[in-house]
Amino acid sequence: EVQLVESGGGLVKPGGSLRLSCAASGFTFSSYSLNWVRQAPGKGLEWVSSISSSSSYIYYADSVKGRFTISRDNAKNSLYLQMNSLRAEDTAVYYCARNRLGTVTTVDYWGQGTLVTVSS
Amino acid sequence: DIQMTQSPSTLSASVGDRVTITCRASQSISSWLAWYQQKPGKAPKLLIYKASSLESGVPSRFSGSGSGTEFTLTISSLHPDDFATYYCQQYNSYPLTFGGGTKVEIK
Repeated sequence: EVQLVESGGGLVKPGGSLRLSCAASGFTFSSYSLNWVRQAPGKGLEWVSSISSSSSYIYYADSVKGRFTISRDNAKNSLYLQMNSLRAEDTAVYYCARNRLGTVTTVDYWGQGTLVTVSS
Repeated sequence: DIQMTQSPSTLSASVGDRVTITCRASQSISSWLAWYQQKPGKAPKLLIYKASSLESGVPSRFSGSGSGTEFTLTISSLHPDDFATYYCQQYNSYPLTFGGGTKVEIK
């Protein structure tokens, strides 16, 4: 069974940092591209960042570029999101999400999400 | 960036109704479109990928169609479990973008 379990969320002050982790199991982690997608309270889904299976290709939304860093450790079956210079508008549930296998693919599995609250 | 526009934003329907949700892309995305269902407090669930391919395990009452810039998600006969919010998403190019969502409510 595919499982994606996020952790690391919490309350942080504006300007602060947080590192999210996503522990994966039930599939060959090193074969899949992964993503972070967020959802502000009561709002829609917003893509944040993607990383290819070997970390060769990395993409960011303009809203987080230069502040967030996505990374993965295929030996540990883990995905990370380092978030710096956090702003109130970064408050959201952050989902770890796996892409389907293939050349042009989209998310097929999501974690349960971890809540990040940026507030003084 | 490719903008995704869903309509309607809210839809009131009854069990057994046929429901259609529309998604428009600001430029052609070929067939690189997915549909997700989300229930309150839960993660989204993939229903349709590549515009019309049904994800494994998803009931056949869900179907998708379209290509280019116009897409639809159809639920042929609404079940009680289908009351949720539905999102379209393009994966033709980065940044990946989602529609604003369509909430399907009980009439």
